[in-house]
Amino acid sequence: NAGVTQTPKFQVLKTGQSMTLQCAQDMNHEYMSWYRQDPGMGLRLIHYSVGAGITDQGEVPNGYNVSRSTTEDFPLRLLSAAPSQTSVYFCASSYRRASGDPDTQYFGPGTRLTVL
Amino acid sequence: GENVEQHPSTLSVQEGDSAVIKCTYSDSASNYFPWYKQELGKGPQLIIDIRSNVGEKKDQRIAVTLNKTAKHFSLHITETQPEDSAVYFCAASPMDSSYKLIFGSGTRLLVRP
Repeated sequence: NAGVTQTPKFQVLKTGQSMTLQCAQDMNHEYMSWYRQDPGMGLRLIHYSVGAGITDQGEVPNGYNVSRSTTEDFPLRLLSAAPSQTSVYFCASSYRRASGDPDTQYFGPGTRLTVL
Repeated sequence: GENVEQHPSTLSVQEGDSAVIKCTYSDSASNYFPWYKQELGKGPQLIIDIRSNVGEKKDQRIAVTLNKTAKHFSLHITETQPEDSAVYFCAASPMDSSYKLIFGSGTRLLVRP
């Protein structure tokens, strides 16, 4: 298994440009999440999904869109990039335990985004 | 909503000494508390977690303790080694929604050889 993969690793955008950060997992996990990490801060939840076709907002959703058309993929879209979106973005996934609770989240390697 | 505070922000210890990192949380509904280690340029990796039906959990040199009454939990690393140097994050969430973790701000641990 490749685990959680993210592309690209690095990206530089100009203000107003759009782009999609890709996230894929090959573990058949139901749950997937997007976080951003800023210097001196912990990770903050942007959006999450509890299964294909189901998404919801986290702590800091403004400026980002997501969709979950398949179990494997959970892309994060920036519609009009702003300098405040300069950050490192992490995708994570987890499976549903026999108890019904989600299991531990496994994180991808991250995408470092700079918006000029 | 949940708020997680983590202290200290930096910690420097001599190799072989112990390191303790502390976190407090605000939401009494939280009952799942993982700890992640993040090395430079990598994503966070789970090192240990605890669920609220236990007060302590150990895994070799790493232990986590939980005090639900006081709403705090701690990470203990014994016999520290240089490879323990990294940033450590605590997090909290209700067990049934652990895909929505609330993270502390992180502790940079430096283990001096």
